[in-house]
Amino acid sequence: AQSVAQPEDQVNVAEGNPLTVKCTYSVSGNPYLFWYVQYPNRGLQFLLKYITGDNLVKGSYGFEAEFNKSQTSFHLKKPSALVSDSALYFCAVRTRMDSSYKLIFGSGTRLLVRP
Amino acid sequence: DTGVSQNPRHKITKRGQNVTFRCDPISEHNRLYWYRQTLGQGPEFLTYFQNEAQLEKSRLLSDRFSAERPKGSFSTLEIQRTEQGDSAMYLCASSPPDAAVNEQFFGPGTRLTVL
Repeated sequence: AQSVAQPEDQVNVAEGNPLTVKCTYSVSGNPYLFWYVQYPNRGLQFLLKYITGDNLVKGSYGFEAEFNKSQTSFHLKKPSALVSDSALYFCAVRTRMDSSYKLIFGSGTRLLVRP
Repeated sequence: DTGVSQNPRHKITKRGQNVTFRCDPISEHNRLYWYRQTLGQGPEFLTYFQNEAQLEKSRLLSDRFSAERPKGSFSTLEIQRTEQGDSAMYLCASSPPDAAVNEQFFGPGTRLTVL
């Protein structure tokens, strides 16, 4: 069965410091991986995706993520955090074998950036 | 606004009542998804449409739930005889025909509270 784990319920970081939000996955076959962000009372917003190619992918708002096949991880990173980055972050996976392309989400990680 | 829209944004109902939610996807997106998100959890897949055909349903979708997409455009999700356990955020997402490499675009959600 496909699954996604986000081991940290909350990540706290000071503004200007680098941030990492962790994600590991378990799928059969090659994964497609996604990061979404959710602000209060708003829907999920797409940040970035890994489909194939370079393991380091860059996305919106200065975020990037590194795909590591051997560790089955897809951690989200940003070199310098902003207070406005405080939100709920979700990692998601789907496989190429699933013709519906439905997403399997992790439980989310709340990022709190303090001034 | 050309994003995914959902109505109503909030719904409060009494146990045992029926409710219906509407989703308007991005035009020309032939794939439409419904997810359910409870507090502290990531979204969980409910069902998927390609054009007007409902091609996959999760086991989470009990027989009290029914979804339609009659003309391949907007979709409705109906819950009959609501239960308190149905209280959640119901999210709709759409994606274009070349969905294999594309992300899903989410609406703002409908928050259901069953008293």
